[in-house]
Amino acid sequence: NAGVTQTPKFQVLKTGQSMTLQCAQDMNHEYMSWYRQDPGMGLRLIHYSVGAGITDQGEVPNGYNVSRSTTEDFPLRLLSAAPSQTSVYFCASSYSGQRLSGANVLTFGAGSRLTVL
Amino acid sequence: AQTVTQSQPEMSVQEAETVTLSCTYDTSESDYYLFWYKQPPSRQMILVIRQEAYKQQNATENRFSVNFQKAAKSFSLKISDSQLGDAAMYFCAYRSGGTYSGAGSYQLTFGKGTKLSVIP
Repeated sequence: NAGVTQTPKFQVLKTGQSMTLQCAQDMNHEYMSWYRQDPGMGLRLIHYSVGAGITDQGEVPNGYNVSRSTTEDFPLRLLSAAPSQTSVYFCASSYSGQRLSGANVLTFGAGSRLTVL
Repeated sequence: AQTVTQSQPEMSVQEAETVTLSCTYDTSESDYYLFWYKQPPSRQMILVIRQEAYKQQNATENRFSVNFQKAAKSFSLKISDSQLGDAAMYFCAYRSGGTYSGAGSYQLTFGKGTKLSVIP
C-alpha cells in the first residue's frame, strides 16, 4: 500500500515556465487536495476535489490549475511559474461521506519542494 | 471563517521531561475536529492525535495527550517523557464536522506551527 505518492520531490523552475506536480493515491479516496507550506504560514489549501470530474478552489488558488479525470490522480499545474510560488507542496487525500467523521483523516504525501528563480 | 493560533513559534524541552504546546481556535460551530500533526525534518506530515469536539474525554495516544477546553476554545498538546525523535514542527489543525455541508468542510485550517527542540 503506497498511500499518497507525489512527484517530483524537488524541482527548480525559471520564472514563466510551466510544470505539473503529480499526485496519486491507491486507497480509493474520494477526497483529494493540494496544500502549500510557506515558512511561518502553516499549510494553506490551494484546490480540492471530492471525485472524478469535480474540483473547487481553496484559500490560495491563483496561479494553479487542477483536474481530476480518475479517482487515483490529482495533478497540480503551474501555468506560468512565479517566484511567489516557491514553496513546499503537499497532496492529501481521505474518504468522504455524508457524515463527516474524525475517522476521515487526511493522509499526506511526502511533499514536493519547488523553487522558482 | 475558522482561525487557529499557535502562540509559541519555538519551544524546547529536556529529554525525558514533559512539554505542553498551546493552540487556540476560533469558530462558531459546535461540531468539529481538532488535530495535532508532527512534521519532522523529513517533511512528512504525521498525525499525532485527534479530538472530536462532541467528546468530553481528552484524547491520548501513548506519550501524547491533549487538554481540550471547548468553552475556552483551547486544544493543547502534552508530550510526556520527551524523546529526541519528538523534535519537529508541530501543527494544530481544525476541521468542520457534523452534517455534510459541502466539500469545503474537508478543509483543514492549520496554525502556523511550533518548532520543538529536544535537548539531550
